[in-house]
Order: sequence, then C-alpha cells, then structure tokens
Amino acid sequence: QLQLQESGPRLVKPSETLALTCTVSGGSIGSSTYFWGWIRRPPGKGLEWIGSIYYSGSTYYNPSLESRVTISVDTSKNQFSLRLNSVTAADTAVYYCARHLLTTTPFEYWGLGTPVTVSS
Amino acid sequence: EIVLTQSPDFQSVTPKEKVTITCRASQSIGSSLHWYQLKPDQPPKLLIKYASQSISGVPSRFSGSGSGTDFTLTINNLEAEDAATYYCHQSSSRLPITFGQGTRLEIK
Repeated sequence: QLQLQESGPRLVKPSETLALTCTVSGGSIGSSTYFWGWIRRPPGKGLEWIGSIYYSGSTYYNPSLESRVTISVDTSKNQFSLRLNSVTAADTAVYYCARHLLTTTPFEYWGLGTPVTVSS
Repeated sequence: EIVLTQSPDFQSVTPKEKVTITCRASQSIGSSLHWYQLKPDQPPKLLIKYASQSISGVPSRFSGSGSGTDFTLTINNLEAEDAATYYCHQSSSRLPITFGQGTRLEIK
C-alpha cells in the first residue's frame, strides 16, 4: 500500500522560506509514471493546489503561487519537496502531499498533512 | 481559473438521513469532477471520481452524479462516521487544478 508522509518545520518566520519534504513508501517515485503534488488547506478555507512534479522532473504550478514556489524530486531518497519563499501569515495552512496519474486525474493517495504556522 | 462553488457550507443531519452536496463549476468541465472526504488525523480520501465512478472500498451509500457545470454528491443512510468535510475537485485540462470551498457535515 502506497504511503506518503510530510515532514518539515511547523513554524516559519515571515519573509523566510517554508520547506517541506514528502517521503513515499510502498512504491518508487523514479520507476512509476506519476505526478506528485502539494495541496494546502488554510484555516477556515478550502483546499488549494500548489503544484505538481512529474517523476522525470517536469513541474506545473498554480499561477497564484508560481513566483514563490519550487517543487523538486529526489528519486534516490524516494522523496519530493516543496519550497515556498517569502512567506506571510496567509501561508499558514495544513500542507498535504499527494499522488496523481496526470494533472487531469484525481489525487488517489494523500499524506496525513502537516500544519505549518507562519509567525514571528 | 475554474471556480468550484459548493453548497451548503455546513449541514447538520441525523443518522439514516440522506444528504446531497452540490458543486457548481464556473465553466463546463465535462465529467472531470472528483469528491473527497477529509477527517482530522486521516489522509483525505477519494470517494467518487469522474463525477459518478465509484472507488473500491468506499461504502455504496456514497454516490455522485452530474456533468458539465453541475454535480452532486449523495450520501444515503448516513452513519456517524460520515461526519467530515467534503470537497469537490476539478481536473479538466485547464490548469490550475481547483477545489471547492468544502462542506462540513455534522451528524447530530
């Protein structure tokens, strides 16, 4: 059974960089043709897609965040990562990692999510 | 960007009732609409894909319908464990991927 687990700091200061990692177990990122994505849920709001990366490294980002986001993949560690620069309180959210076959297909597997607070 | 609007935002219901949650897209998305259930301390769960296709392991009381711009998630014979927040998600070829604002379901 595929499992995804997010990890990273839960508290980030304003203007700094939020960095999270998603570790995949029960399957290999590098040997399967899937997209790996990041989604967040700010408190009291709905889900927001941040972006996705193909196993080969191609990326797609939400235009609303594109100028501040980088998603990368490390197949040797079976991980993919999110970096979000210049964070503000509006970036406070639960961050999820997930897998989908294509950008036009549902997210079949998700991590538990990790809460991140932006505060000084 | 395709905007998804869910209704209602919140609903309180009793066990064994039937619940209908709607999701309206700002432009036609065919059947590229999926439904998820979110509960605390659990990974989000895919309930229905492509508007009406069932997912293995999901109870048959969950069903979906619709196409184009109007979609419905129906939960029959509600159980206490169905207390959760439900989200629709569109995956048409037009990025960005978007979600509805969520519908919180409370079981009395």
